[in-house]
Amino acid sequence: QVQLQESGPGLVKPSETLSLTCTVSGGSVSSGSYYWSWIRQPPGKGLEWIGYIYYSGSTNYNPSLKSRVTISVDTSKNQFSLKLSSVTAADTAVYYCARFGIAVAGYDYWGQGTLVTVSS
Amino acid sequence: QSVLTQPPSVSAAPGQKVTISCSGSSSNIGNNYVSWYQQLPGTAPKLLIYDNNKRPSGIPDRFSGSKSGTSATLGITGLQTGDEADYYCGTWDSSLSVLFGGGTQLTVL
Repeated sequence: QVQLQESGPGLVKPSETLSLTCTVSGGSVSSGSYYWSWIRQPPGKGLEWIGYIYYSGSTNYNPSLKSRVTISVDTSKNQFSLKLSSVTAADTAVYYCARFGIAVAGYDYWGQGTLVTVSS
Repeated sequence: QSVLTQPPSVSAAPGQKVTISCSGSSSNIGNNYVSWYQQLPGTAPKLLIYDNNKRPSGIPDRFSGSKSGTSATLGITGLQTGDEADYYCGTWDSSLSVLFGGGTQLTVL
């Protein structure tokens, strides 16, 4: 059974960089059948796609966040990571990592989510 | 403001049927597959429908999906109180950016 687990600080100061890691078990980030993604959800609001990475390292980011986002993959640890720079209170959200299955053209596995609050 | 438009809320009585619409354009829904997600309170979203109308293993056939032109629809029959959740449609655009609808809150009266 595939499992994804987010980890990282739950509190980040304004103007600093938010860093999260997603550890994948029961599957491999080196598989060419999936895109590994970050999605966030501000409190009481809808889902916002942040971006994804392919095992080769190619990435695609939400245009509205592109200047601040970096997603990377570590195949040796079976993890992928998110960095979001220059955060503000508007970046406060539950951050999910998720697997996009190419065969199903959808997000078939999600992490439980982690709340990141931006506050001084 | 989401590029994919969903009604903010829908409601129906237990046992009844409800549909949730997702409206887009030719640059997203019109030329790509649509997926649907169910998010129960306090939990991560769960894939309900993929490739417009296919159900992953374990999803009951009370849930169905369809697509016509630049719109997609999620149908739920035999409503149960456990179906109360937020529902999101998803697809991608010509630049392969993933898009989600704004979400629809389902209330089972």
